[in-house]
Amino acid sequence: QSVLTQSPSVSGAPGQRVTISCTGSSSNIGADFDVHWYQQLPGTAPKLLIYGNTDRPSGVPDRFSGSKFGTSASLAITGLQAEDEADYYCQSYDSSLSGWVFGGGTKLTVL
Amino acid sequence: QVQLQESGPGLVKPSETLSLTCSVSGGSIRNYFWSWIRQPAGKGLEWIGRIYSSGSTNYNPSLKSRVTMSVDTSKSQFSLKLSSVTAADTAVYYCARDPEATGAFDFWGHGTIVTVSS
Repeated sequence: QSVLTQSPSVSGAPGQRVTISCTGSSSNIGADFDVHWYQQLPGTAPKLLIYGNTDRPSGVPDRFSGSKFGTSASLAITGLQAEDEADYYCQSYDSSLSGWVFGGGTKLTVL
Repeated sequence: QVQLQESGPGLVKPSETLSLTCSVSGGSIRNYFWSWIRQPAGKGLEWIGRIYSSGSTNYNPSLKSRVTMSVDTSKSQFSLKLSSVTAADTAVYYCARDPEATGAFDFWGHGTIVTVSS
């Protein structure tokens, strides 16, 4: 059971907008620790997609955006493309565990 | 561009110690945290722990009693040892850079599969 909770799956048609949520608690996201998002394509290592809740590393399209409110965070993907089909993970720091924690991951299917 | 490469045995016997090394190239190993993260087949990511270039460490409390990390800045390498392994430790093991400024893992190795089996 992951400390951060994500829906197991989400789907959308090409061109649509989807959101992936990440719910934490008062010891992680709610304690104002940053949330980061990763994209993991099949058979590859995770890739940093969003850091510091809202920032994109160089090279990440602006179709990807992050937000945070209270004890939750969200990743939004607009203009969905077939190549976006992947697993997405959120990550934050947990003060109770004194370490980094991940969400269980959300599998995005592009219909 | 920073590159990381994991290396080590792909098969470890139960009760023995898993040992992996991560080699860093294309950038300095100094002044950064370096983490180990693992992923059992078909499952999510689990942070194992991290080491700073000076040698200070932080470990996942659930694994702390079995984990030892070390760093060799002269070789631009850092290492993981996980003792008393069981089948539950079978996973893909990744090393990643962990900049203190952001707390996000910005560079990852390709991962190495470690199977625990007799």
